[in-house]
Amino acid sequence: EAQVTQNPRYLITVTGKKLTVTCSQNMNHEYMSWYRQDPGLGLRQIYYSMNVEVTDKGDVPEGYKVSRKEKRNFPLILESPSPNQTSLYFCASSLSGDSYNEQFFGPGTRLTVL
Amino acid sequence: KQEVTQIPAALSVPEGENLVLNCSFTDSAIYNLQWFRQDPGKGLTSLLLIQSSQREQTSGRLNASLDKSSGRSTLYIAASQPGDSATYLCAVTDSWGKLQFGAGTQVVVTP
Repeated sequence: EAQVTQNPRYLITVTGKKLTVTCSQNMNHEYMSWYRQDPGLGLRQIYYSMNVEVTDKGDVPEGYKVSRKEKRNFPLILESPSPNQTSLYFCASSLSGDSYNEQFFGPGTRLTVL
Repeated sequence: KQEVTQIPAALSVPEGENLVLNCSFTDSAIYNLQWFRQDPGKGLTSLLLIQSSQREQTSGRLNASLDKSSGRSTLYIAASQPGDSATYLCAVTDSWGKLQFGAGTQVVVTP
């Protein structure tokens, strides 16, 4: 089944403890991105990747890192999480960075930072 | 800066009625517009994608129109069912290639 998977789905952690949220897609998509969703602010893009080894900042990149060593994986890294990073996170992918392509989303990761 | 607005924020209808959801955007220079469905605690499911050169797209009971010049899109869901209860999001791919989302319309279909 073609899909985008994220792990973990739920995570409660404490301020300053490094964490990684994994994202994987099995559709051979070139373009991948991360979003966060907050009440009243909607979905905002954190980082995106046009292809392997090519990443760039989205609208809200502060406090996050990403890497794209393989085409299928695009992990989101929080080196020192803070409470304002408590949010619902989504990974997405599309065939290419061409703006005409449909984007597919993962199931989401609900992160709570205490 | 592109702004996407969805009105109303919430909508409740009895089963069988047609649903009409509105989305407006401020910059008509878009590549496409996508409608998503989001269920509580779940991810986004793509419903329809309309390219900027198209006027509408249809899938089953769903029909979405796009009027780029006026910055509007409408999603119609015919003969609503309780299973249609969800939050519906519209998003445009702007001239920078970024997906810009509206805040969503929360729909409840009562039996």
